[in-house]
Amino acid sequence: GAGVSQTPSNKVTEKGKYVELRCDPISGHTALYWYRQSLGQGPEFLIYFQGTGAADDSGLPNDRFFAVRPEGSVSTLKIQRTERGDSAVYLCASSFDTGEQFFGPGTRLTVL
Amino acid sequence: AQRVTQPEKLLSVFKGAPVELKCNYSYSGSPELFWYVQYSRQRLQLLLRHISRESIKGFTADLNKGETSFHLKKPFAQEEDSAMYYCAPSLVFGKGTRLSVIA
Repeated sequence: GAGVSQTPSNKVTEKGKYVELRCDPISGHTALYWYRQSLGQGPEFLIYFQGTGAADDSGLPNDRFFAVRPEGSVSTLKIQRTERGDSAVYLCASSFDTGEQFFGPGTRLTVL
Repeated sequence: AQRVTQPEKLLSVFKGAPVELKCNYSYSGSPELFWYVQYSRQRLQLLLRHISRESIKGFTADLNKGETSFHLKKPFAQEEDSAMYYCAPSLVFGKGTRLSVIA
């Protein structure tokens, strides 16, 4: 079957705007993870869902970041009042329970 | 604080030479330990996890709880091993080491 997909692949926005990034996990995977990766850095954990609920959101940097997974499948990462420092590649991964994580291709967000 | 240190940003070795990618971590509790790899123009993927004790593509990783290290090793490097490698205790990733294997 298909792997993890993320849309859009690239997003350019202006400072202060609102953006939504979408992740479609592998069908049947119960866990879903969001990371962001800045240039020259490793992935930075943001939030992790088990089913519909956020099991760990300790990595969200501030209240401008929010993520949902209303039906336990697709997830949306929402960023309000974007800042230039939010520019990064946002990665999504999914796993069955807490097993091996399978990563998507990422969404490259550029805030001008 | 949870911290992962991969001291080498870039490691270049000749084909056939041994490889060791270093990883030291500071983490409360006993995290599960992982190595991830990203080949050129491919997605990040799991290479190996400590709990499974498998050898993947000839790589192994030894956990030293006393030193809190989880170094990745391979006895004979191959050109196809050239990639970016990330050590991760639980969900915390290091900055990565770029391995370049020279023919």
